Amino acid sequence: KAGVTQTPRYLIKTRGQQVTLSCSPISGHRSVSWYQQTPGQGLQFLFEYFSETQRNKGNFPGRFSGRQFSNSRSEMNVSTLELGDSALYLCASKPGQGSGYTFGSGTRLTVV
Amino acid sequence: GIQVEQSPPDLILQEGANSTLRCNFSDSVNNLQWFHQNPWGQLINLFYIPSGTKQNGRLSATTVATERYSLLYISSSQTTDSGVYFCAVEQNNDMRFGAGTRLTVKP
Repeated sequence: KAGVTQTPRYLIKTRGQQVTLSCSPISGHRSVSWYQQTPGQGLQFLFEYFSETQRNKGNFPGRFSGRQFSNSRSEMNVSTLELGDSALYLCASKPGQGSGYTFGSGTRLTVV
Repeated sequence: GIQVEQSPPDLILQEGANSTLRCNFSDSVNNLQWFHQNPWGQLINLFYIPSGTKQNGRLSATTVATERYSLLYISSSQTTDSGVYFCAVEQNNDMRFGAGTRLTVKP
């Protein structure tokens, strides 16, 4: 069974640009979460989606947004990129309550 | 929000030694997982363990939910066990991670 797939794996963007990252969950998984990992802040929760609805959101500015499609695939968007947005962005999925998350390999974003 | 503390932050072992990693959390949780982050950044799920004890080969974990802590045991450590181990807890669809324990196993 295919795992959680994140694309692209690496990305270099310029300050002020916007970026869209994609996450395809494991087939049958309806909950998708996104995390940002930086050396200074560690792993921080961005948001969680279930059946196309955002159920929870971390403490990030409005420049960070996301959505989930009817096939459970999810995208996150960061607008007006800042140097501090350089990070590893991780996506995870799970079937629902009472189960654990499986993580993708991540997208490493560098903002220059 | 819920606080997650892991200890120790760093651990250096000789190959073959045993170790115990600890995770304390500040509130009741729906879910607790232990992960190992590989050198390429991927988080590998070790255990889904909101309560009780589980074992998988040389690894085992115990969560005492009523006392809000979990332990990860690594026995007969190998150099391939090196990396960062994270504890993560979930409450109301919001998963929070500890700062991790960086384990180095020397040959």
